[in-house]
Amino acid sequence: EDKVVQSPLSLVVHEGDTVTLNCSYEVTNFRSLLWYKQEKKAPTFLFMLTSSGIEKKSGRLSSILDKKELFSILNITATQTGDSAVYLCAVGANSKLTFGKGITLSVRP
Amino acid sequence: GAGVSQSPRYKVTKRGQDVALRCDPISGHVSLYWYRQALGQGPEFLTYFNYEAQQDKSGLPNDRFSAERPEGSISTLTIQRTEQRDSAMYRCASSVQGVVNEQFFGPGTRLTVL
Repeated sequence: EDKVVQSPLSLVVHEGDTVTLNCSYEVTNFRSLLWYKQEKKAPTFLFMLTSSGIEKKSGRLSSILDKKELFSILNITATQTGDSAVYLCAVGANSKLTFGKGITLSVRP
Repeated sequence: GAGVSQSPRYKVTKRGQDVALRCDPISGHVSLYWYRQALGQGPEFLTYFNYEAQQDKSGLPNDRFSAERPEGSISTLTIQRTEQRDSAMYRCASSVQGVVNEQFFGPGTRLTVL
């Protein structure tokens, strides 16, 4: 059975801090790893990673994949209160996405 | 359309009734996925389609759940004889094709079974 584990489950930081969110996986027939941000609505797409070692970057967010060690990290620098959300990791394998439980990030002013 | 749309946004029904949830994917997207999301959890895969063909229904919890996409565009998820444990957010997503393209999610249908 495909498995995606995210850690930590939740964290609280102050504005300006840098955070690292972790995602590890055990799947067969890996095709892709995706990060989503979910506030009180539908998940919104952040990144898709398919190759090891290539960092994807968008503003203060960046992500990288390690296909040998089977994990990915999502970094957020200079956090803002608007970054408060649940961050979901999903792995595409066997033609479907398997999601982790999500990491709840709270950014305090 | 501009994004994935779902209807109704909220559905309250009594135990034993049938419900039909609708998803209208992004125009031109080949793949359509249904998920169920419980509070505090990530979306859980139910089933998916490429065009009108249901490719995988392994995530459907039991035979009360079914889905169709007869013309390769709009899809309907039907739950027969609803039970209280069916209460959840049901989300639809679409992608250009498959899992090597990002999936875009709709707003979801919040189903409450009394």
